[in-house]
Amino acid sequence: DTGVSQDPRHKITKRGQNVTFRCDPISEHNRLYWYRQTLGQGPEFLTYFQNEAQLEKSRLLSDRFSAERPKGSFSTLEIQRTEQGDSAMYLCASEELAGASTDTQYFGPGTRLTVL
Amino acid sequence: QKEVEQNSGPLSVPEGAIASLNCTYSDRGSQSFFWYRQYSGKSPELIMFIYSNGDKEDGRFTAQLNKASQYVSLLIRDSQPSDSATYLCAVYSGAGSYQLTFGKGTKLSVIP
Repeated sequence: DTGVSQDPRHKITKRGQNVTFRCDPISEHNRLYWYRQTLGQGPEFLTYFQNEAQLEKSRLLSDRFSAERPKGSFSTLEIQRTEQGDSAMYLCASEELAGASTDTQYFGPGTRLTVL
Repeated sequence: QKEVEQNSGPLSVPEGAIASLNCTYSDRGSQSFFWYRQYSGKSPELIMFIYSNGDKEDGRFTAQLNKASQYVSLLIRDSQPSDSATYLCAVYSGAGSYQLTFGKGTKLSVIP
């Protein structure tokens, strides 16, 4: 399978615990994005990387959230001291940097987080 | 703040009919427009994109863009029950930001 993969697919945790999600983009895709989606809403942008550089972060990304893409390949998103409001689907998307306004983001299956 | 508005629905159409999904956006400088389909509990799946005024056809799907009216639509011809899903409109504004801004989605139900 050459699509975007995410691990784990589901995570249940207790409030106050730390969680880490992993995303493996489509091979050779330069850009990698993290979005969060809650029920009845569209995905909301969190952050994005071009290769290993984190170039943009949303105001939604509090200090408890951190993301890395150490070698420009896979990425991790960590949430520290989880809160019930963090319960959501966390989506990763990747995009090939072709320099066109029609560059397209392809989504992975998502990680569904439930904070008890 | 950049906004993308969609009628949340649900939109119900009989099998074989044309489904029309609409989207408006607030940022006049927006450059590219995307339609994603999302089945319940699944991630968004790209259907098509459009960046020039007019129509773009791909199989049973036609995207229409009117930048002057800041309006984009998706027509689904010969709707099938398998088309029942939430359709998300997403906008890329450019100007140094590569994020997509999504609407809340329109839930489509195709009745057999």
